Amino acid sequence: DVQVLESGGGLVQSGGSLRLSCAASGFTFSGYAMSWVRQAPGKGLEWVSAISGSGGSTFYADSVKGRFTISRDNSKNTLSLQMNSLSAEDTAVYYCAKGFTYFDPWGQGTLVTVSS
Amino acid sequence: EIVMTQSPATLSVSPGERVTLSCRASQSVSSNLAWYQQKPGQAPRLLIYGASTRATGIPARFSGSGSGTEFTLTISSLQSEDFAVYYCQQYNNWPRTFGQGTKVEIK
Repeated sequence: DVQVLESGGGLVQSGGSLRLSCAASGFTFSGYAMSWVRQAPGKGLEWVSAISGSGGSTFYADSVKGRFTISRDNSKNTLSLQMNSLSAEDTAVYYCAKGFTYFDPWGQGTLVTVSS
Repeated sequence: EIVMTQSPATLSVSPGERVTLSCRASQSVSSNLAWYQQKPGQAPRLLIYGASTRATGIPARFSGSGSGTEFTLTISSLQSEDFAVYYCQQYNNWPRTFGQGTKVEIK
């Protein structure tokens, strides 16, 4: 069964940092691009970042460029998102998803709350 | 950035009815269009990709059509488990962008 499972969310102060992780299973992780998508409370979906299977290509939304860094460890089947200089606008559920065209499947999400 | 616009924002329907949801792109995305379903407290689920290809395990009552800038998701006979929010998403260009969603609620 293809699965992805996020962890690392929590409460952080404005200006702080947080690192999210996503553990993948049930597929050849290094063969697939991966993405992060977020959803602010009561709002729609916003694509955040993506990375190729090798990790050699990365992509970011303008809203996070220069503050967030996506990476992957193919030996551990793990995707990460390092988030720096967080603000209240970054408060959201962050989903990890397989792929960087369409996204399938999605994890259950991890909540990041940035307090001011 | 390609702006995706969904209509209507909310649709009130009765079980068994046929439902049509619309999605418009601000510029052509060819057939690089996906649809997702999201229920309260759950992650989104892929329904359709390539504008018209059903994802694995998706019932045949869900169908997608369109290309270029105009797309449609049709649910042929709405079931109780289909009440949810539906999002379209383009993957023709970076950044990937989503529509604002259409909520399908019980009439």
